[in-house]
Amino acid sequence: KAGVTQTPRYLIKTRGQQVTLSCSPISGHRSVSWYQQTPGQGLQFLFEYFSETQRNKGNFPGRFSGRQFSNSRSEMNVSTLELGDSALYLCASSLDTPYEQYFGPGTRLTVT
Amino acid sequence: QQPVQSPQAVILREGEDAVINCSSSKALYSVHWYRQKHGEAPVFLMILLKGGEQKGHEKISASFNEKKQQSSLYLTASQLSYSGTYFCGTPRGRDDKIIFGKGTRLHILP
Repeated sequence: KAGVTQTPRYLIKTRGQQVTLSCSPISGHRSVSWYQQTPGQGLQFLFEYFSETQRNKGNFPGRFSGRQFSNSRSEMNVSTLELGDSALYLCASSLDTPYEQYFGPGTRLTVT
Repeated sequence: QQPVQSPQAVILREGEDAVINCSSSKALYSVHWYRQKHGEAPVFLMILLKGGEQKGHEKISASFNEKKQQSSLYLTASQLSYSGTYFCGTPRGRDDKIIFGKGTRLHILP
């Protein structure tokens, strides 16, 4: 069974630009969650999508958005990038809650 | 809303035991435990649902006291492979988002 894949793995962007990250969940998983990880802050919840609907949202500004497609693949978009957006962005898929989540390898975003 | 984990970091020698605590100021539906090794993605360890149950995974077990809104992860006779950062996650309802604590860094020395 293939694991969660994320593309791209590394990204360097300039302040003010926008970026789109992609996540392909494990086959059959309908829930996809996104997290931002920075040193000292742990895993900060961004949002969760289930069957193409945003089911939960974290406390991030509106510059952070996402969507989920009918095949459960998900994308997240960050507009008007700021230096503080530099982080590892992880997505995790699960069958549903409260089942275990399987994390992808993450996308390392660096904003200069 | 973020659960509080303690200790923040711990260093042990191989074979010693460790306890990692996770507490919340809000009522909990379940507690999720994950381990992340350096440079890798977090990996699921276990989920504890309401009922004060205790679950085990090899020499790693956990308890969940819903009245106290606390969970503890027990690592018995720690092995070098147990090194990493442990996160607890606490949703407040069945379909609620999972909010993770800041993590507890565990380093096992040979």
